[in-house]
Amino acid sequence: DVKVTQSSRYLVKRTGEKVFLECVQDMDHENMFWYRQDPGLGLRLIYFSYDVKMKEKGDIPEGYSVSREKKERFSLILESASTNQTSMYLCASSPGQGKNDEQYFGPGTRLTVT
Amino acid sequence: AQTVTQSQPEMSVQEAETVTLSCTYDTSENNYYLFWYKQPPSRQMILVIRQEAYKQQNATENRFSVNFQKAAKSFSLKISDSQLGDTAMYFCAFMTPFTGNQFYFGTGTSLTVIP
Repeated sequence: DVKVTQSSRYLVKRTGEKVFLECVQDMDHENMFWYRQDPGLGLRLIYFSYDVKMKEKGDIPEGYSVSREKKERFSLILESASTNQTSMYLCASSPGQGKNDEQYFGPGTRLTVT
Repeated sequence: AQTVTQSQPEMSVQEAETVTLSCTYDTSENNYYLFWYKQPPSRQMILVIRQEAYKQQNATENRFSVNFQKAAKSFSLKISDSQLGDTAMYFCAFMTPFTGNQFYFGTGTSLTVIP
């Protein structure tokens, strides 16, 4: 089974802190994605990556950055956390173009910024 | 631009009954995939069913089936013999290789199965 893990289920940070959210997948997937999920807004794509050291902006990249130094790991960084970044963050991975491109999701990190 | 619309924020169904969740999408692409994902309360999002746009036959997975109307750009999910474990948020999603396999999600439908 594909397994996508996220470093924390719950996280509380203060405004202005630098926040790292980690995601690891164990199936050698090429693509990895970061979403935020808010009630009534569904899932919105923040950033995604097709390969190591590659990244693409999604629909709402402002205030976020990402890092993919290894194929299995995709990190989301909040450079200076703000209260409007309080949300559920979901990581996902998929095999890559030309293959079965179902996305596999992690359990999510519920981030609260106070 | 690709958009996905789920017009039913909340639905409920009696246990053992059938319920249909609606989804419409908009795209100019001809090659794409559609998905329904399920997110149970406080649990991981999992795939329920997928449909390739080039296939005319509607996908089925046990109690779950879709009604795919390509011309109308409609992709509804039917759940038969609803069970308590079907209580979840359901997301419709669209993907086309022409936008780098990026997924576009609807806003979700919260389904409650009533015992």
